[in-house]
Order: sequence, then structure tokens, then C-alpha cells
Amino acid sequence: QKEVEQNSGPLSVPEGAIASLNCTYSDRVSQSFFWYRQYSGKSPELIMSIYSNGDKEDGRFTAQLNKASQYVSLLIRDSQPSDSATYLCAVNGDSGGSNYKLTFGKGTLLTVNP
Amino acid sequence: DTAVSQTPKYLVTQMGNDKSIKCEQNLGHDTMYWYKQDSKKFLKIMFSYNNKELIINETVPNRFSPKSPDKAHLNLHINSLELGDSAVYFCASSRTDSNQPQHFGDGTRLSIL
Repeated sequence: QKEVEQNSGPLSVPEGAIASLNCTYSDRVSQSFFWYRQYSGKSPELIMSIYSNGDKEDGRFTAQLNKASQYVSLLIRDSQPSDSATYLCAVNGDSGGSNYKLTFGKGTLLTVNP
Repeated sequence: DTAVSQTPKYLVTQMGNDKSIKCEQNLGHDTMYWYKQDSKKFLKIMFSYNNKELIINETVPNRFSPKSPDKAHLNLHINSLELGDSAVYFCASSRTDSNQPQHFGDGTRLSIL
């Protein structure tokens, strides 16, 4: 059973701080890694994808991947109250043939305090 | 607008009834999915179709029957609804490639009385 683990939080940071969200996964052959943001009562929205080891930056967001440690993280710089949401880590792996299944973690609730 | 759209947005019904949720995407994707998000917000895959063919079928009661008339549509029919079926059901779509992210519809909130 492929698993994706996240600290459920809540993670509380002051406005302007760096929020650090972490995720570990169990399947070593996982190939693609995604971070989704979900506001309360809304659908998951893709904010970052990462496929190779190292860092990937997009605006205030940086995704970090370490396949040897089976670890992926998301850093949010200069956190804003509008970043308050649940952040879902998702890992895509081979489920047979050319089929790929996205497995989600349970999400980390982030609260940014003004 | 290009999007994944699902209807209805809200569905309130009684135990034992049969209901359907419809999903359509105009993103040109060839793979579509149904997810269930329970009260604890855990998002879990139920089904996946690629070009109208069922490719993922997780451990879901056979009261749930997906149907894909074409690659732009994936509907979900649920028979004999039970209290435990109350959840938000999300439709999603993607291109068939492990590197392609999935795009989600707005969800259907199903409440069983």
C-alpha cells in the first residue's frame, strides 16, 4: 500500500514568515510530486510540481525533492493570510502498465496570522 | 472557460435513493478520475478512466458505478445510498502521463438524510 504522510498541523506562522510543509512517501519508484492548496469548501488547486531532486522555485513557493530520503517539502516565503489553507502533498507512481495513480497525503492545515 | 465542471454542486437525498453526478472536461485530457473526500478531508481515488476505459478501480462498493460515454465525460451513479456515502466527490482530469498534474472540478457535496 503506497502511503504519503504529512503532519496534519495546524501549522501556525506569523505574516511575513517562512512556512515549511513536509511530506514523506513510501513508494521508491514514485516519479512525480505535486503540491495542491485547498481552501475550506473549495477544490484542490495545483500550486507546484517537481520531478527531479533539488529545488524548484515559483514566486514565493519553493518545492524541494530528495528521492533518496523519499521526502518532498514546500516552502512559502513572506507568508500572507491568504495562504491560510490546507496543503496536500500528492505523489504519482506506476500502478501498472501505463497507468499512474495519484496518492494524496491527509494535508497540513496552515494558518498565517496577521 | 476551460475547466472541469461537475453537476450538481449540492445533492441532498434520503438513504436508499439512487443518484448520479455528472462531470465534463474541455481541457482535451484523456484521463478522468473520481475522488471521495470524507469529513476528515482525506482525498481518496475511487475510479480512473483513460479514453473511456476503466483503468483504476479502488476498493469501492459496487453500488458505485462510473460511466464514461466519451473521453470528455465521466459520470458517477450511486445506488441505494447509505449514510456513509456523505462526502464531497471530486472529478478530475489529466493527460495520460505520470508527469501531468490533475485538474479538479469544484466538487459535489452529497448529504444523506
